[in-house]
Amino acid sequence: DQQVKQNSPSLSVQEGRISILNCDYTNSMFDYFLWYKKYPAEGPTFLISISSIKDKNEDGRFTVFLNKSAKHLSLHIVPSQPGDSAVYFCAANSNYQLIWGAGTKLIIKP
Amino acid sequence: GAGVSQTPSNKVTEKGKYVELRCDPISGHTALYWYRQSLGQGPEFLIYFQGTGAADDSGLPNDRFFAVRPEGSVSTLKIQRTERGDSAVYLCASSSSLAGGPHEQFFGPGTRLTVL
Repeated sequence: DQQVKQNSPSLSVQEGRISILNCDYTNSMFDYFLWYKKYPAEGPTFLISISSIKDKNEDGRFTVFLNKSAKHLSLHIVPSQPGDSAVYFCAANSNYQLIWGAGTKLIIKP
Repeated sequence: GAGVSQTPSNKVTEKGKYVELRCDPISGHTALYWYRQSLGQGPEFLIYFQGTGAADDSGLPNDRFFAVRPEGSVSTLKIQRTERGDSAVYLCASSSSLAGGPHEQFFGPGTRLTVL
């Protein structure tokens, strides 16, 4: 039973356009959500997070939106750059455990 | 070193053998986490240390898995009687301990374990 789901295994976006990565969760007790980025042969790198009491958090080109009623969050990257090509993981915090989605591979086309 | 380091980077072993995986967290980070990542999946929580003690070991799959952090810094994940299903990338992360809320976890590059 997956508590955090990323339903798109991959996403291809033209350089300069907006990338939107989606994540759904089932547990309404999650209090914090995080996005991580992962390059091959490296560990995940923290990107941005959002508390469950907020609905938006922005950091430069990255914005995370949280819709609690729909149990859905999304990561927007604009404008997308070639260096953004990586696997993106959504994770939810539950008592200091991070529960992870399966990841979405983002490919930025030049 | 500035980041989390893990050794070895790759480990190949035979079914039934014992392995140890090491994690050096970022200096000063009191929290340390172990995760396991299988191909095509997200990391799966194994155990969380706060200082020297295991604050949550609910993710350890069975009693063949054990982890220690005797001095509150370096941690070792130990797997006895390895099975082919243990093959995965084992990730270690550390974070500073702050009051309330989750903390950004800094990950090492992982150890790829292959059990033949």
